[in-house]
Amino acid sequence: DAKTTQPTSMDCAEGRAANLPCNHSTISGNEYVYWYRQIHSQGPQYIIHGLKNNETNEMASLIITEDRKSSTLILPHATLRDTAVYYCIVRVARSTDSWGKLQFGAGTQVVVTP
Amino acid sequence: DVKVTQSSRYLVKRTGEKVFLECVQDMDHENMFWYRQDPGLGLRLIYFSYDVKMKEKGDIPEGYSVSREKKERFSLILESASTNQTSMYLCASSFDSIAKNIQYFGAGTRLSVL
Repeated sequence: DAKTTQPTSMDCAEGRAANLPCNHSTISGNEYVYWYRQIHSQGPQYIIHGLKNNETNEMASLIITEDRKSSTLILPHATLRDTAVYYCIVRVARSTDSWGKLQFGAGTQVVVTP
Repeated sequence: DVKVTQSSRYLVKRTGEKVFLECVQDMDHENMFWYRQDPGLGLRLIYFSYDVKMKEKGDIPEGYSVSREKKERFSLILESASTNQTSMYLCASSFDSIAKNIQYFGAGTRLSVL
């Protein structure tokens, strides 16, 4: 699986958009980009994933560069409840090894302030 | 909404005790996972199961065993608890499909072994 690099931490003002970068320069053609977050003392929560097209759901938007070497998760209007550690994971969608084993790195600690 | 329920949020056990951590999911998922999470080490996969009575070792299976007698239930067993097994334990489940990397997590069990 491709390795990802994320900033250690970032702050965001409540109501503003939070843009979380992730570098995955060694990504291969069949690997997807997944984003999860973990609010303190809770289990991780799936946010969104994509292959090469930009994706949007009720939680966030995912922008993947044309060369697929980096991506940005966008929380359009951050709230205090979005304070969490955000994980960017790159993984093949279907493989016969490690059946969906996710490798969570250190992630980005996002703090949303009033 | 998918629900993954872990039997206890907090557990305190003594060294040498046999410990059972239970996890139940209500979405008819084929895959179930047990992770542990420790500061500075992130989430590490202990065991996973892709079908009833099937199990595969993850990255750190030593000192643990698992049981999956029914599709909805996946149990993690510490045969003889030790202090280095003090940790946050997280259960997750997913479909066995191209969406297998969309895992749904429980709230976690914080285990202290004294």
